[in-house]
This record gives sequence, C-alpha cells and structure tokens, in this order.
Amino acid sequence: EAGVVQSPRYKIIEKKQPVAFWCNPISGHNTLYWYRQNLGQGPELLIRYENEEAVDDSQLPKDRFSAERLKGVDSTLKIQPAELGDSAVYLCASSFGDSLKVYEQYFGPGTRLTVT
Amino acid sequence: AQTVTQSQPEMSVQEAETVTLSCTYDTSESDYYLFWYKQPPSRQMILVIRQEAYKQQNATENRFSVNFQKAAKSFSLKISDSQLGDAAMYFCASLLISNFGNEKLTFGTGTRLTIIP
Repeated sequence: EAGVVQSPRYKIIEKKQPVAFWCNPISGHNTLYWYRQNLGQGPELLIRYENEEAVDDSQLPKDRFSAERLKGVDSTLKIQPAELGDSAVYLCASSFGDSLKVYEQYFGPGTRLTVT
Repeated sequence: AQTVTQSQPEMSVQEAETVTLSCTYDTSESDYYLFWYKQPPSRQMILVIRQEAYKQQNATENRFSVNFQKAAKSFSLKISDSQLGDAAMYFCASLLISNFGNEKLTFGTGTRLTIIP
C-alpha cells in the first residue's frame, strides 16, 4: 500500500513569492489534514478536509494561505505571498474512518519550505 | 482546548537499555485518544503506539509500552531493549473525539532520543 505522497520535498523561495505544495493521500482515505511544523516544535493543524469539504480551517491564515481538495482526493496548499515566518515543514496526513483505524492518521514526508 | 506537555527536550540511553519518555496532557473531555509518534531525520511521522482513554489496560507494541495514568493525565512511553534505529524525535499527541468524526491531533514539543552504542 502506497503511503501519503507529498511534493516537492524541499522548496526555497524569496519572500513575497508564491509557493504551492501538493499532497496525494492514501487511497480510500476520506480525511486529509495539512499541518505546519516549525523548527523544534510539534505539528500544528492548518486545515482538515472531509472529502471535498474543509471542516476545520480555523488555524489557516486566510489572508495569504489557501487550500483546495478537488474531487476529494489530492490536495494543494498555497501561500501567496510568502513571508520569512512561513519557513517550516508542511506535513500532509490522511485517515479513513472505520471501526479499527478511525482515529489513526498517516503522515507524508513533508515539504521543507525556506523563505529568504 | 487541549494541551500536551513534554518536559524532556532530550534524552539518551545506552543501546539495549530501557528508557522512559514523559508526557502530560490537559483536557476536560472524557473521550479521547493518546498517541506517541516517532519522527526520524527523514521527517516522516510514524505512529508508535496508541491508547484509548476508556481503556484501563496500558497499550503495548513489541518493545514499546505506555504507562497511562488517567487521573494524573500522564502518558509516558517506555522503550525496552533500545536499538540504534530508535533514535528520533518522539512526539506525544492527544486527539479529542467529536460527533463529526476525527478531530485534530494536538502535539507536544517533542523529546529527542539519542541511542548510545
């Protein structure tokens, strides 16, 4: 079974430039999460999707961040324009609700963003 | 709201010995899950072990076990027979359950575990 796929693995951009991250969840997983992990910290949720619907985006800075999950499968997270403080690792995770694994999230390898 | 505290930024242990990583959490909810995740330098978060709050029995997965003290809101991870491959950041996390399905994970700040050959 393929895991959560993310691309790119690394991205270096100058401030004020746009950037996008892509995530392909595990096949059949209906829930998708985007997390941001700052250096030396644990991940923090940015947005959670149930199929195509964003059910929790309360932590997403909506002035510069946007996300979409077309057709309830792949997802894209965008930052425009990027700021120095956006440098972090962006993690995607997915999960599927059944009686055994309903609360288990599987993580991708993340994208390390550096804003200069 | 929920908070997760890991008071040990770094720990080290001799190979083949046992080490315990500490975690405390704070929640007013009665239904929740607790997890330990491992994050090696590759950055991929890997689930190590999970504990349902309604279960009194401590979870065990091979060399990994937890000491779940619900009243004290404590959830420590014990690694027995430590191996070089256990070296990583370890994150404690809690998950609240909602009527709408999965909720978000709240993570602690992590403990960096070093294995000494």
